[in-house]
Amino acid sequence: EAGVTQSPTHLIKTRGQQATLRCSPISGHTSVYWYQQALGLGLQFLLWYDEGEERNRGNFPPRFSGRQFPNYSSELNVNALELEDSALYLCASSSRIGLGTDTQYFGPGTRLTVL
Amino acid sequence: GQQLNQSPQSMFIQEGEDVSMNCTSSSIFNTWLWYKQDPGEGPVLLIALYKAGELTSNGRLTAQFGITRKDSFLNISASIPSDVGIYFCAGRGMDSSYKLIFGSGTRLLVRP
Repeated sequence: EAGVTQSPTHLIKTRGQQATLRCSPISGHTSVYWYQQALGLGLQFLLWYDEGEERNRGNFPPRFSGRQFPNYSSELNVNALELEDSALYLCASSSRIGLGTDTQYFGPGTRLTVL
Repeated sequence: GQQLNQSPQSMFIQEGEDVSMNCTSSSIFNTWLWYKQDPGEGPVLLIALYKAGELTSNGRLTAQFGITRKDSFLNISASIPSDVGIYFCAGRGMDSSYKLIFGSGTRLLVRP
């Protein structure tokens, strides 16, 4: 069974540009979560999508947005990039909430560098 | 907001030694997860705990969900060089957000 996949692996942008990151969840998983991990730091929760809707977001500005498609894949968009947005962006997926098996499984991440 | 304190921050041990790390929360959690992350990669799930008092093993790894629901520990027995990495605890609170709160990580280095 394929795990969570993310693309691209690396992304280099300049300040003010927009970045789009993509995530495909494990087959059968309906929830997708996005996390930011700055270098040497822990994971900070960004967004949670389930069944195509945004269910919760972390303490990040509106520049960070996303969506979930009918096939449960997801996009994370970061507008007006700032230098401090440079980080590893991790996507995780889980099965349907409430079944007791909603453990989150992570993808390999997208390394975003803002110059 | 909910906070997790993970300790120790780092450990440098001799191959073959046992390792113990723990996390404590300022509030009650209903799920505890332990992940390992290698440099530049995503965290890999090691052990998931869903019930207070639960003790679960995965090979040389053992983790427990504290009775108070505010803490968890991870033990690694007979460490080997490939155990090197950063170990994160993560918990999910009793609210409906389903987001995970992560500890700051324990960096483990193993001396052959």
